[in-house]
Amino acid sequence: DTGVSQDPRHKITKRGQNVTFRCDPISEHNRLYWYRQTLGQGPEFLTYFQNEAQLEKSRLLSDRFSAERPKGSFSTLEIQRTEQGDSAMYLCASSLGQGVGYTFGSGTRLTVV
Amino acid sequence: AQSVTQLGSHVSVSEGALVLLRCNYSSSVPPYLFWYVQYPNQGLQLLLKYTTGATLVKGINGFEAEFKKSETSFHLTKPSAHMSDAAEYFCAVRRREAAGNKLTFGGGTRVLVKP
Repeated sequence: DTGVSQDPRHKITKRGQNVTFRCDPISEHNRLYWYRQTLGQGPEFLTYFQNEAQLEKSRLLSDRFSAERPKGSFSTLEIQRTEQGDSAMYLCASSLGQGVGYTFGSGTRLTVV
Repeated sequence: AQSVTQLGSHVSVSEGALVLLRCNYSSSVPPYLFWYVQYPNQGLQLLLKYTTGATLVKGINGFEAEFKKSETSFHLTKPSAHMSDAAEYFCAVRRREAAGNKLTFGGGTRVLVKP
């Protein structure tokens, strides 16, 4: 297990469609995070899980967004009824407990047309 | 709410010259501090971090940063730029007292290295 994996790397979708992204964290990491990064900006926090529990959600996570981590391993981020403003890089990261520092995946770049 | 300011969205340096990227934070209690690097279409890679102890922190690829509490700064430097340093650099903070591990990022500084 060499790092955090995200799938797909790129997704182009039409406005109004639903999309789902997957993140596989480092296997021994119990915390998993989702961030969104728009062009020319720093990443913004969306949500995080400790094991299977979703402990914090940003106000950025509207009701069209839902994240799950059903068995405390991989996580999915679903966006329903996509809008052009959802176009961004979605980054996943994981960490071990309160350990200071994450490992980021390479991200999923979403383009809504 | 804490915030992170990176002065200069773009920095251009000559190969072999000093790289200096500025980061200032605002919070009443000094947070944990980080620098990340991002290459095109890639995720973020941790360069270095400050948690406690020595205020001059050495990281990977020859980078270092100094925490200055009086200036609420955590500037990143590298004595001699290499072409491979061309990337975007992000400063980030995390509240020490927070139960979670949420990072707040600055807007980033894109570094261009001229031959």
